Amino acid sequence: AQSVSQHNHHVILSEAASLELGCNYSYGGTVNLFWYVQYPGQHLQLLLKYFSGDPLVKGIKGFEAEFIKSKFSFNLRKPSVQWSDTAEYFCAVNAWTGNQFYFGTGTSLTVIP
Amino acid sequence: GAGVSQSPSNKVTEKGKDVELRCDPISGHTALYWYRQSLGQGLEFLIYFQGNSAPDKSGLPSDRFSAERTGGSVSTLTIQRTQQEDSAVYLCASSPGDLSVTEAFFGQGTRLTVV
Repeated sequence: AQSVSQHNHHVILSEAASLELGCNYSYGGTVNLFWYVQYPGQHLQLLLKYFSGDPLVKGIKGFEAEFIKSKFSFNLRKPSVQWSDTAEYFCAVNAWTGNQFYFGTGTSLTVIP
Repeated sequence: GAGVSQSPSNKVTEKGKDVELRCDPISGHTALYWYRQSLGQGLEFLIYFQGNSAPDKSGLPSDRFSAERTGGSVSTLTIQRTQQEDSAVYLCASSPGDLSVTEAFFGQGTRLTVV
């Protein structure tokens, strides 16, 4: 079975700091990669996704992620975080061989004004 | 509706009772997923329905858990003889189909508390 690892469980940053959240997956085949965000009291929503092509993908609210196939990684980045980015972030992987959809344990981000 | 709808939003039940959680996916979505979200555990896959195919039940933690999807639309997750460790937020998601070209859309979840 696939697995998804998010090594940062809780991150605390000051506003304007740069963010990088790690995501590694274990699957040897072709994958689709996603980052979802869950703001306090809200449902999970898509932040960005990678299917093919340019490994650097840009999402909403200034987030981006880079797919590095050789490292099985899909790290999320933002050059300057805002207080409103306080949320839980989940990395997810889907294999091209099916619609199974696996999530990491999540990273809780707190941004201090 | 505009999004995935789950009911109830909160459920408190006594240990040993059965509970049913409902999910109304986005109209026309053929794929439906159930996940369990526990503190510090991330999203644990439970079951996946795709169209008329046999569901992927590989994530169900025990035989106390079951789910069905009637008419390819509404889904019900049933937990029999609930235990305290079943306390969690149960999330439902739906997708138009192939995740290589689309995404999964999530409901608000049902928070289950077993006392």
